[in-house]
Amino acid sequence: SQELEQSPQSLIVQEGKNLTINCTSSKTLYGLYWYKQKYGEGLIFLMMLQKGGEEKSHEKITAKLDEKKQQSSLHITASQPSHAGIYLCGADEYTGANSKLTFGKGITLSVRP
Amino acid sequence: KAGVTQTPRYLIKTRGQQVTLSCSPISGHRSVSWYQQTPGQGLQFLFEYFSETQRNKGNFPGRFSGRQFSNSRSEMNVSTLELGDSALYLCASSLFTATNEKLFFGSGTQLSVL
Repeated sequence: SQELEQSPQSLIVQEGKNLTINCTSSKTLYGLYWYKQKYGEGLIFLMMLQKGGEEKSHEKITAKLDEKKQQSSLHITASQPSHAGIYLCGADEYTGANSKLTFGKGITLSVRP
Repeated sequence: KAGVTQTPRYLIKTRGQQVTLSCSPISGHRSVSWYQQTPGQGLQFLFEYFSETQRNKGNFPGRFSGRQFSNSRSEMNVSTLELGDSALYLCASSLFTATNEKLFFGSGTQLSVL
């Protein structure tokens, strides 16, 4: 089965600083998703990447997909307290005729004002 | 448009009991997926339903079951609860499939088994 490893496990940054978090897959990536979660709440969709080399941005968050490395990175520019939360990457895993979404364990981001 | 609604929000049960959780997807969404989230294992896929049929199932024991109704609302049931079943149970809806699409998650049901 596919495994997604996220690094670092947790991160504390000063408000205004840039940061990058990573997601590495044990198998070929067909679709890679980034979600954000507030503790004890549901996940909120951030971005979906489907092609190698694809890069998408939303407000101050940019995600890239490196298909060869089976890796995705998420970069936040000029972090704000509102960026704090748990960032999870998810990937499509195909098992025969079926598919499911597999998630990494998440990265907890804290932003100090 | 209303989001995904999960009820109840919190639940406390004792070992051996059974529990039923409910999920109302976004109107028009036909795929509903269920996930279990724990600090140790993270977010794990339970099952996906589409048009009242279970389309895919994760690696959970038979005590975990689910169903979907004609209006796309879904329920999941856990019988003979164990302490390890304590978790946040999340449901997500999408138009047609749990993959290759954006998922909309509910706020979850926090289940505590004592």
